[in-house]
Amino acid sequence: DGGITQSPKYLFRKEGQNVTLSCEQNLNHDAMYWYRQDPGQGLRLIYYSQIVNDFQKGDIAEGYSVSREKKESFPLTVTSAQKNPTAFYLCASTASGTSQGYTFGSGTRLTVV
Amino acid sequence: KQEVTQIPAALSVPEGENLVLNCSFTDSAIYNLQWFRQDPGKGLTSLLLIQSSQREQTSGRLNASLDKSSGRSTLYIAASQPGDSATYLCAALDNYGQNFVFGPGTRLSVLP
Repeated sequence: DGGITQSPKYLFRKEGQNVTLSCEQNLNHDAMYWYRQDPGQGLRLIYYSQIVNDFQKGDIAEGYSVSREKKESFPLTVTSAQKNPTAFYLCASTASGTSQGYTFGSGTRLTVV
Repeated sequence: KQEVTQIPAALSVPEGENLVLNCSFTDSAIYNLQWFRQDPGKGLTSLLLIQSSQREQTSGRLNASLDKSSGRSTLYIAASQPGDSATYLCAALDNYGQNFVFGPGTRLSVLP
């Protein structure tokens, strides 16, 4: 069954710690995206990648980093430079040209403790 | 830069009512528009995708229309049920960008 898997579902981060959120897809999609969702706000784009070994910053990339070493995987690292990381993080993918629209994962809720 | 708004922000209706959710976008040169549903604490589930050459799409009790000239899309839900309670988001992909721009969503409550 094709889809996007995000893990973990819940993640707790201590102050000054880097954490990595996993996103894996078996849809053979070329493009992958990371969004952040805060209560009462819309989705904001963090990073996106159209092809392997290439990625671009979105609207709120500061304090985050990504890699795209494999077509199936697009992990997001929340670094200690991100001062307000508590949020719901969503990964999405789409085929080339986005004519098929987005498919989303189930999300990771990150909380700073 | 493309901006997407949704009205109303929240809506509460009794079961069985037909309802319309609105989505507006500032740049009419869009490639396609997608409607999603989000349950609390969950990811987004795609409902309908309308290509720029299409005017509407239908799936079961859902019908989405697209009017590029007026910068509007509507999602029509027929015979609403309590299970329809969720947040509904629209997203527009413009011809100049490579990513969807999302609206803030409409939170729908269908009361039994």
